[in-house]
Amino acid sequence: ETGVTQTPRHLVMGMTNKKSLKCEQHLGHNAMYWYKQSAKKPLELMFVYSLEERVENNSVPSRFSPECPNSSHLFLHLHTLQPEDSALYLCASSPGQGVEAFFGQGTRLTVV
Amino acid sequence: AQKITQTQPGMFVQEKEAVTLDCTYDTSDPSYGLFWYKQPSSGEMIFLIYQGSYDQQNATEGRYSLNFQKARKSANLVISASQLGDSAMYFCAMREANSGGGADGLTFGKGTHLIIQP
Repeated sequence: ETGVTQTPRHLVMGMTNKKSLKCEQHLGHNAMYWYKQSAKKPLELMFVYSLEERVENNSVPSRFSPECPNSSHLFLHLHTLQPEDSALYLCASSPGQGVEAFFGQGTRLTVV
Repeated sequence: AQKITQTQPGMFVQEKEAVTLDCTYDTSDPSYGLFWYKQPSSGEMIFLIYQGSYDQQNATEGRYSLNFQKARKSANLVISASQLGDSAMYFCAMREANSGGGADGLTFGKGTHLIIQP
């Protein structure tokens, strides 16, 4: 257990569905992240939130919409996804700059 | 150009042998941090070891050590006395100090799939 909890662990959704991924940490960390891990590709940073403000958005399609209501919670809202969006979505948190990030167990997303 | 290169897609190693997982990196930033993570089949990323660019000594954490060769931009992970439970994906990652913003994401390599055989 790293202290970062993601729900659900597995999700299957149709291309017209709307769903949300949830991430929670009670480590007192100031920064939270969403990463996408596709098969045979490096982890891709999607979003960074620092003190509840988004500080980086790596040209992620608008069908992915993050939300950080407070420093302990991070959501990734999904709508009208494509099959190529099927991947493992990992949430992480860190105390700030220059230190390691702690990851959740991920949500395995399948878009059908 | 790739910032993190891991040249070994997969490795088979006999139990109790030492393992070296290769990682080279590319940055012009004088201040950076290098990380190794382990990802078992359950999916979570487990932090193993950290090396700062200004650290004089190689980092060690139990059976893990980092062979840091700054001039060669190399940060290989060494696992001593491998165990069956070490079978997993291993990722090398880097955070550059000047990549922008107050909280910076990590850049990961493609990973090495390590399989420990009895």
